Amino acid sequence: DVKVTQSSRYLVKRTGEKVFLECVQDMDHENMFWYRQDPGLGLRLIYFSYDVKMKEKGDIPEGYSVSREKKERFSLILESASTNQTSMYLCASTSPQIGYGYTFGSGTRLTVV
Amino acid sequence: AQSVTQLGSHVSVSEGALVLLRCNYSSSVPPYLFWYVQYPNQGLQLLLKYTSAATLVKGINGFEAEFKKSETSFHLTKPSAHMSDAAEYFCAVRRGSTLGRLYFGRGTQLTVWP
Repeated sequence: DVKVTQSSRYLVKRTGEKVFLECVQDMDHENMFWYRQDPGLGLRLIYFSYDVKMKEKGDIPEGYSVSREKKERFSLILESASTNQTSMYLCASTSPQIGYGYTFGSGTRLTVV
Repeated sequence: AQSVTQLGSHVSVSEGALVLLRCNYSSSVPPYLFWYVQYPNQGLQLLLKYTSAATLVKGINGFEAEFKKSETSFHLTKPSAHMSDAAEYFCAVRRGSTLGRLYFGRGTQLTVWP
């Protein structure tokens, strides 16, 4: 089975800190995604990447950046964490070979205090 | 523009009753459609997907969905609810060449009463 691993399940950070959320997939998928999930708002796309060093903005990229130096790893960076970035963050990967169904990680619940 | 609409943010059924979760999509091209389930404090898990092969799609845990082009719908059903089905369910669509991006509905929370 494809595994998408997010480095932390729970994270507490202070306002203003630079925060790194890591995501690693083990099935050579080309496309990777970062979403945030908030009650009543569903999943909102932050950034995605369709190849190494390639990135595309999603619907809510403000305050975030990403890095994809290797195919298997896609990092989400909160440049200066703010309380309104407290959320559940979900990473996913996919490939055209599997009809673009996503495989999700378990999520990182980030609290910014 | 909204791509996926899930009617009803909360659905409650009794154990053993029919489960019906509604999803309507908007797409100008033949869509790929998906249903995902999320249990508390977990990521999303693929239930089933429609990729234009058969209009009735069977998924895991006894769920199935029917693609109806005339109604632009892809409703999820299960004949008999089980307590373990309580979770949040998301419908998603891929529209044409969007680099694999899926557009998700806002989710439907399913509660199953004993």
